[in-house]
Parts: sequence; C-alpha cells; structure tokens
Amino acid sequence: AQSVTQLDSQVPVFEEAPVELRCNYSSSVSVYLFWYVQYPNQGLQLLLKYLSGSTLVESINGFEAEFNKSQTSFHLRKPSVHISDTAEYFCAVSYGSGYKLSFGAGTTVTVRA
Amino acid sequence: GAVVSQHPSRVICKSGTSVKIECRSLDFQATTMFWYRQFPKQSLMLMATSNEGSKATYEQGVEKDKFLINHASLTLSTLTVTSAHPEDSSFYICSARDLLAGDYEQYFGPGTRLTVT
Repeated sequence: AQSVTQLDSQVPVFEEAPVELRCNYSSSVSVYLFWYVQYPNQGLQLLLKYLSGSTLVESINGFEAEFNKSQTSFHLRKPSVHISDTAEYFCAVSYGSGYKLSFGAGTTVTVRA
Repeated sequence: GAVVSQHPSRVICKSGTSVKIECRSLDFQATTMFWYRQFPKQSLMLMATSNEGSKATYEQGVEKDKFLINHASLTLSTLTVTSAHPEDSSFYICSARDLLAGDYEQYFGPGTRLTVT
C-alpha cells in the first residue's frame, strides 16, 4: 500500500533557528510531491511542489525541499524560522499518473521567541 | 493563483438534519473536485472524487448515501451530509483541480467546520 510518513509529529523551534521536517513515501512508480501548510481553522496552502526537473525546489518565503529518489524522501527545510511559521505542515504525494493525493499525518511546528 | 471558496465556513445543526456544503472554483474551471474530512489534530482523509457531469467516486468506507456529492457545473460541487449525527462533526475541506491545465496541483478551499448537536 502507498503511504506517506512524516517522522515528526511536533517540532518546537526557536525563532531564527533552522528547521527540518522529514517526509518519506513508499512507491516504485513516478511521484509528484507537495508540501502544504495549514494555519488554525483554515484550509491548506501550497508551499512548494516537485513535479520534475531540479530535485531542489524553493518557496517564496524561504522554505526549500529536496526530492531524493533513492531514499524516497522529500524533506522540508528552512534556515531561519519566524514566529509566523507556526503552523501544521503536511507532506502529500500523488502517485504515478493518478491525481489523488495521499497525505502524511502532519507536523506541528511551534516557533518560540 | 487559483482560488477555491467554501460556504458556509461554520455550521451547527441538530442531529438528524441534513447540511449542504458548497465548494466553488472562482477563477478556473474545475473538472475534478475532491472532498476531504479532517478530525482534530489529524491529517486529511479523502472521502470522494467528483468529476463534472458524472457520479462521484467514493473512497472505501465512505457511505455514498450519507455523503451526497453533486458536481453539476465546472465551478461548483456540493457535499450534503444527510441525517447528520454527532460523529459526523468534523472539518470538511474541498479541493479542485483543472485537468485541462495539465497541472497536478490541487487548490484547497478554506474548509467548513460542521458541528452536529
């Protein structure tokens, strides 16, 4: 069965410190990878995506993620977080030529001053 | 970017009544829409996929007679929770995809908080 694993359920971090959120997926076919952010009582907003091409993708607000096919991972990083980055982060995968998204369990990032 | 709206944002209903939630794509034609539910502190669970003009495809374990989905136009899909019970209380989120754009991205609505008393 296809699955998406986010290894950390909670990540507390101090402001201006770096953060890494881990995501691994199971698949032997082509995948499309996404990171979404969810603020309290809101829907999901796309942070970044990997469809093809360069394995390192970046968002406009300083996040980046690297697709590692051999390790089936798509970890999300930010070198310096802000208080406003406090949110829930979801890794999602679309497998093969399908279009359904499978979501990880989510990682709660809490940024403290 | 593509915008998806949901209405209402919050709804409280009594047990046994039905509730309709609307999902609209505001600036693109959504050939496919998805409905998810999310319990507190949990991830999104796909309930069903709806394609404009055809019947929805439900995920395993989702009661199609309880969660009625209609995708009558390229910009509107509705989810009706029939004979709602307290265990149906949840956060319902829709997303839409423009297949014609050849994009694998799904655009998410802001969600609807349903509370059944």
